[in-house]
Amino acid sequence: AQSVTQPDIHITVSEGASLELRCNYSYGATPYLFWYVQSPGQGLQLLLKYFSGDTLVQGIKGFEAEFKRSQSSFNLRKPSVHWSDAAEYFCAVALSGGYQKVTFGTGTKLQVIP
Amino acid sequence: ETGVTQSPTHLIKTRGQQVTLRCSSQSGHNTVSWYQQALGQGPQFIFQYYREEENGRGNFPPRFSGLQFPNYSSELNVNALELDDSALYLCASSLAKTSNYGYTFGSGTRLTVV
Repeated sequence: AQSVTQPDIHITVSEGASLELRCNYSYGATPYLFWYVQSPGQGLQLLLKYFSGDTLVQGIKGFEAEFKRSQSSFNLRKPSVHWSDAAEYFCAVALSGGYQKVTFGTGTKLQVIP
Repeated sequence: ETGVTQSPTHLIKTRGQQVTLRCSSQSGHNTVSWYQQALGQGPQFIFQYYREEENGRGNFPPRFSGLQFPNYSSELNVNALELDDSALYLCASSLAKTSNYGYTFGSGTRLTVV
């Protein structure tokens, strides 16, 4: 069965510092890959998605992610974190084709300190 | 462009009762999916509706059921509520039933079962 692993439950970074959130997946083939962000008490907002092509994907709010097939990873990065980036981040994968069942990781909670 | 709206935002029910949660999909979206997000966890897929028919289902018992209406709005019904059903229930709409598009999520309904 497919699975998504986000090994970091909590991450704390200083405002202005760079950020990398890790995501590894287990799938039989290259899936569709997503990163979502969830602010407290809110639903999830799509940051970016990867289907095929260029393995470096640009998203909203200055985020980017890199797909590495050899490592089954899809890590999220941002060069300079802002205090408003504090939230929970979810990596998600879905099979290509078929109905749209998306499997989410358990999330990484990001704290930004001044 | 309207987003996904869910009602109610919060709900408290007693074990054994039944509950109906409602979702209005984003304008132009014909697919609705429901997810359960327990505290500290990622969302878990319940089921998906495409053009008024169930198009896929996750590992949830039959007491979780749904409907999609001609205007693509949707309901999630849960019978015989259990304490473990306490969670944030998220509705997500999309343009297609396959995984090519990311979801637009609502802010969720927080269900507490006592």
